[in-house]
Amino acid sequence: EVHLVESGGGLVQPGGSLRLSCAASGFTFSSQWMHWVRQPPGKGLMWVSRVKSDGSSTNYADSVKGRFTISRDNAKNTVYLQMNSLRDDDTAIYYCVWFGAPLWGQGTLVTVSS
Amino acid sequence: QSALTQPPSASGSPGQSVTISCTGTSNDVGSSNYVSWYQQHPGKAPKLMIFEVSKRPSGVPDRFSGFKSGNTASLTVSGLQVEDEADYYCMSNAVSSVVFGGGTKLTVL
Repeated sequence: EVHLVESGGGLVQPGGSLRLSCAASGFTFSSQWMHWVRQPPGKGLMWVSRVKSDGSSTNYADSVKGRFTISRDNAKNTVYLQMNSLRDDDTAIYYCVWFGAPLWGQGTLVTVSS
Repeated sequence: QSALTQPPSASGSPGQSVTISCTGTSNDVGSSNYVSWYQQHPGKAPKLMIFEVSKRPSGVPDRFSGFKSGNTASLTVSGLQVEDEADYYCMSNAVSSVVFGGGTKLTVL
């Protein structure tokens, strides 16, 4: 069965850092582009970032460029999102997504607050 | 990377049809064959309803249909049912990114 399981969310102060992980299973992870999408509480979906199957190419939303870094480890079937210089408006549920299926994880909540 | 424009709300009675629009630009919707529509119920992950403008995944009722003309895509839900009440989001590939619409809350009266 195919699964995406996110972890690493939590409460962090403004200016702090967090690293999200997303463990994939049940499909050929190393062949797929992987994405992060976020949803602030009570608000809409926003695409955050994507990484090519071999990790050689990445793209970011303007609002996170320079602060977030996406990466992957195909040996571990895991994609990461390193989030630095976090701001209040980064508060959201963060979903790991394989759009090709599509397959969404259950999401992990990141709360940025003092 | 501006969000695609959707009406914030739409409504219809059971059995009626409703159409939700999604307006972008020539850099996203207008030039992409990869326009999708997602349905999201409260507290749930989004569910794909339409992909590649007008294709339905297996298991999605044929009451859901998609169309695109120029920079505007649309989702039509025919024969509205109570369980169709949800938030709907359009999504499009763009140059080096992906962009979502702001979402439309569909109410079945």
